[in-house]
Amino acid sequence: GAVVSQHPSWVICKSGTSVKIECRSLDFQATTMFWYRQFPKQSLMLMATSNEGSKATYEQGVEKDKFLINHASLTLSTLTVTSAHPEDSSFYICSANRVGRETQYFGPGTRLLVL
Amino acid sequence: TQLLEQSPQFLSIQEGENLTVYCNSSSVFSSLQWYRQEPGEGPVLLVTVVTGGEVKKLKRLTFQFGDARKDSSLHITAAQTGDTGLYLCAGVRTPSGGYQKVTFGTGTKLQVIP
Repeated sequence: GAVVSQHPSWVICKSGTSVKIECRSLDFQATTMFWYRQFPKQSLMLMATSNEGSKATYEQGVEKDKFLINHASLTLSTLTVTSAHPEDSSFYICSANRVGRETQYFGPGTRLLVL
Repeated sequence: TQLLEQSPQFLSIQEGENLTVYCNSSSVFSSLQWYRQEPGEGPVLLVTVVTGGEVKKLKRLTFQFGDARKDSSLHITAAQTGDTGLYLCAGVRTPSGGYQKVTFGTGTKLQVIP
């Protein structure tokens, strides 16, 4: 099977700080990774599509300067929440597409709490 | 904009009962997926239906894709407490570039009471 990991699994930070979340495909190469956000009792909302070696594509309403995405290699994408505020507290989930395959594999998620 | 509406949003039933969850959209998708998500975890893919009218069975779960590929249903027979979770449908499109773009439904939270 294809395994996607996220680190950290949970993080608590002070308002105004920046937080970096990593998404790794452990046993396959991923040309494309996706970042989702899920608020309590709600569904997953796609934030951005991350392509290896190029700029991420952000969904409407998602601030690209607020949520910095870097996809530096075929196994790693990072999401940095800059100057985090309490309203950024959420569950962030990544997924990855295997090279040449269409199926997405989801990570276990990262819970962010901004105080 | 949420393109996929699920109903009901919340369902609490006794163990052994049957239930159906609906997923409706005005858009056509190349395929439709169903996921189950436990609290604090990522969603886990249950099934993908591709052909209009397709029916797939996974033990006590029956999935159907509408003829027009705009809607789907999930039927659970004789629910068990282990079926408790958040069920998400997801419409799949494949834009140019070869990767899937997945749009999730609003979700149905199922609670099965022993």
